Amino acid sequence: DTGVSQNPRHKITKRGQNVTFRCDPISEHNRLYWYRQTLGQGPEFLTYFQNEAQLEKSRLLSDRFSAERPKGSFSTLEIQRTEQGDSAMYLCASSLGDSLYSGNTIYFGEGSWLTVV
Amino acid sequence: KNEVEQSPQNLTAQEGEFITINCSYSVGISALHWLQQHPGGGIVSLFMLSSGKKKHGRLIATINIQEKHSSLHITASHPRDSAVYICAVNYGGATNKLIFGTGTLLAVQP
Repeated sequence: DTGVSQNPRHKITKRGQNVTFRCDPISEHNRLYWYRQTLGQGPEFLTYFQNEAQLEKSRLLSDRFSAERPKGSFSTLEIQRTEQGDSAMYLCASSLGDSLYSGNTIYFGEGSWLTVV
Repeated sequence: KNEVEQSPQNLTAQEGEFITINCSYSVGISALHWLQQHPGGGIVSLFMLSSGKKKHGRLIATINIQEKHSSLHITASHPRDSAVYICAVNYGGATNKLIFGTGTLLAVQP
């Protein structure tokens, strides 16, 4: 098992372009999270999938953002019409949810850095 | 005001010193996580606590549920411990999402 994998690790894009990030979670993990982190801050929750179902989206996730997990395995996070304020690191995390109300060890990817110029 | 507060925000220590990082949260939680983040991004889970104390090598984490407070201790600190240490909490519920503190930047000097 290679852990949580994210691609690309770094992306520089011009304002107005679309970008897509991919996350491959640990294979048996049914829970997948996207977080965003800006410099000097802790990560902020964006969205959560349980298997293929997107069960929660943060208000931070404007309509320019869309996330999918079509087969309950890998996930993509797309940002349309990027803005400079989207520059951040986008972190993916996964865990195995054996109970709805228990804390479980969460495994993080290395993150995908986005710079919008 | 962040729901999860850490102190100090920055900490410089000499190699060998005993280090304590504190975390306070505002409401009842199902679990608290201590995480380590090195420059470049990757986050590693150190501990997950719902009560009591856990120890792994030179790291010790404690939690006081009544006080809504947790501490991370590093004994015999080493320059390789230099990183950002982040406290995060689960409030449970259907998503179990984490709410993060802003982190403590630790620099251990040789």
